[in-house]
Order: sequence, then structure tokens, then C-alpha cells
Amino acid sequence: GAGVSQSPSNKVTEKGKDVELRCDPISGHTALYWYRQSLGQGLEFLIYFQGNSAPDKSGLPSDRFSAERTGGSVSTLTIQRTQQEDSAVYLCASSWGQGGDSPLHFGNGTRLTVT
Amino acid sequence: AQSVSQHNHHVILSEAASLELGCNYSYGGTVNLFWYVQYPGQHLQLLLKYFSGDPLVKGIKGFEAEFIKSKFSFNLRKPSVQWSDTAEYFCAVNARAAGNKLTFGGGTRVLVKP
Repeated sequence: GAGVSQSPSNKVTEKGKDVELRCDPISGHTALYWYRQSLGQGLEFLIYFQGNSAPDKSGLPSDRFSAERTGGSVSTLTIQRTQQEDSAVYLCASSWGQGGDSPLHFGNGTRLTVT
Repeated sequence: AQSVSQHNHHVILSEAASLELGCNYSYGGTVNLFWYVQYPGQHLQLLLKYFSGDPLVKGIKGFEAEFIKSKFSFNLRKPSVQWSDTAEYFCAVNARAAGNKLTFGGGTRVLVKP
């Protein structure tokens, strides 16, 4: 079947606006991760879902960031009042089982540019 | 703080040269270890993984990695690289003690000159 799908692929927004990023994981994958990839910063963990619950939100940079997952499937990452430092590629990944016990399947990411 | 460290940010080498990328982590206890690769313009994909058993694991495209528990290391190797190995390589660790969060290193950009 299809892999992990993320939309939009690119998003340019003005500073102060809210943005919503979407992730469709592979069907049946119970674990879903959000990461942020910035130039020279590697992959920064944001949040992890097991089903619809988020056992680990420790990576969210500030209270402007929030995420939810519904029906054990689609997830949305919302950034309120965007700042220029939020510019990055936001990656979603999903996997079977208990998350880190099985390999992650990544989407192509959403490139966010805050002007 | 617990972390995953990749020693080299950039590596440049010629075809047929040998490659070794270092990865160290600071978690105690049981760990699952991964190397992911991101080829230019493509999404991240799994190169190889270690969960248990033989500490020398083999992955796709001739890559292998060795888990040395006493050194908290999981270095990636390839005896003879090709131009198509040009990519960014990420080490990742899942530690039971830290829940099921998969933590990535900062990545190493590898450029193989033809």
C-alpha cells in the first residue's frame, strides 16, 4: 500500500499566522512520530503517539506547538503564531508495535518557511 | 541528558574507499539501535537495525554496523563505497529506560567523489 503521506509538501506563511500540518500514516501502524529537521540540527523529536494518546510530548518546543491524532490514524501538528525559527522540515513517521521496537517509515516531510 | 552523538558532520571520500561513521549514545540498559539513510531528494529509510543477538549486523547495500555495549557505540561501516552512497546518515537509539522515543543523532553528510 501507500507509504506515509504528509501535506502540504511546502508551506510558506507569514510570521504570526497559524499553520496546520497533516500526516497520514501507513494503515495499521499504531505508533506515529513527529520530528523536525533543521539545517545542521539533525532530527529533533517533537511528539510520539501510541494509538490516539501521546505518551511523550517532551519534544514540543513551546506551547505554540500542539498535535493530535484521531481514530488511531491521521495526525495533525499545529503551530500557532509562527516564528521565523519555526522554519524547518517537519517529518512524520509511523511504525508497527510499540514505536521504537520496530523501524520507522518516514513521509517526505512538510517544508515550512516562515517569512 | 541522554543523547546520541555522531562524531563527523561531513565526510568526503573517493569511490572504493572504506567508510566508517561513528555513533555513541548515553543510555543505560536495553537499547534498540538503528541507522537510517537519506539520499538526496528522498525520504529517510532504514539501513539496518540491532535489537539483540549477534552484535555485528548487516544491512542493505553492503553496509554493516557493530554494537559494542561496553563502548556505548554502534558504528556504521562499508568496505568500499560507491558514488551512489552519497547521502546523509543518521544513527538512532530507542532506550527502554526512556520510553519508546526514538532519538536521532545529528547526522553525517557523506559525499563520495566519482
